[in-house]
Amino acid sequence: DQQVKQNSPSLSVQEGRISILNCDYTNSMFDYFLWYKKYPAEGPTFLISISSIKDKNEDGRFTVFLNKSAKHLSLHIVPSQPGDSAVYFCAASGWNRDDKIIFGKGTRLHILP
Amino acid sequence: NAGVTQTPKFRVLKTGQSMTLLCAQDMNHEYMYWYRQDPGMGLRLIHYSVGEGTTAKGEVPDGYNVSRLKKQNFLLGLESAAPSQTSVYFCASSTPGTGGPDTQYFGPGTRLTVL
Repeated sequence: DQQVKQNSPSLSVQEGRISILNCDYTNSMFDYFLWYKKYPAEGPTFLISISSIKDKNEDGRFTVFLNKSAKHLSLHIVPSQPGDSAVYFCAASGWNRDDKIIFGKGTRLHILP
Repeated sequence: NAGVTQTPKFRVLKTGQSMTLLCAQDMNHEYMYWYRQDPGMGLRLIHYSVGEGTTAKGEVPDGYNVSRLKKQNFLLGLESAAPSQTSVYFCASSTPGTGGPDTQYFGPGTRLTVL
């Protein structure tokens, strides 16, 4: 059973517009959420994270929103740029240092010129 | 710093052959991980290590063995490769912080095909 779900396999957004990537989770024990970005033929790279005590975390053009009651988080990219075209993985974990990170299946984002 | 490196980048095996994938990190990280990524499946944890000389099973450990003889290296072995092990393998490392899970740094991946 998938604990971290990214229901949109792909998303196309016009350059300059907002990209919104969604993620749902089922395990209420998750306390820490991350987004990773992956380009073809490269390993994933950490993008942004949020802990369950917050509902928003912002880093430049990237903002992650967390709705714990809905078990939902989203990544907003504003404005979208061509270099943002990549696969984005949502991931979740407990708060203990040895808790494993569970990854979603990923969403491929295409930024259109 | 090279970060996390993986050897080889590509490999083709025949069913039943064995091989070892090497992961090396120069960040002095305590924790190391092996993941596999299959189309439409995301990243799944195979094995991990929380320190030199320690290993533990992840979500999909069957058919794989690992060793962490040196802190900077984490080896993933396939004793008898099967077509179901065709995948892209990623190694990652992290170091425990003062609280909460830590950012994992990933290698570039090894694309393995088993015929």
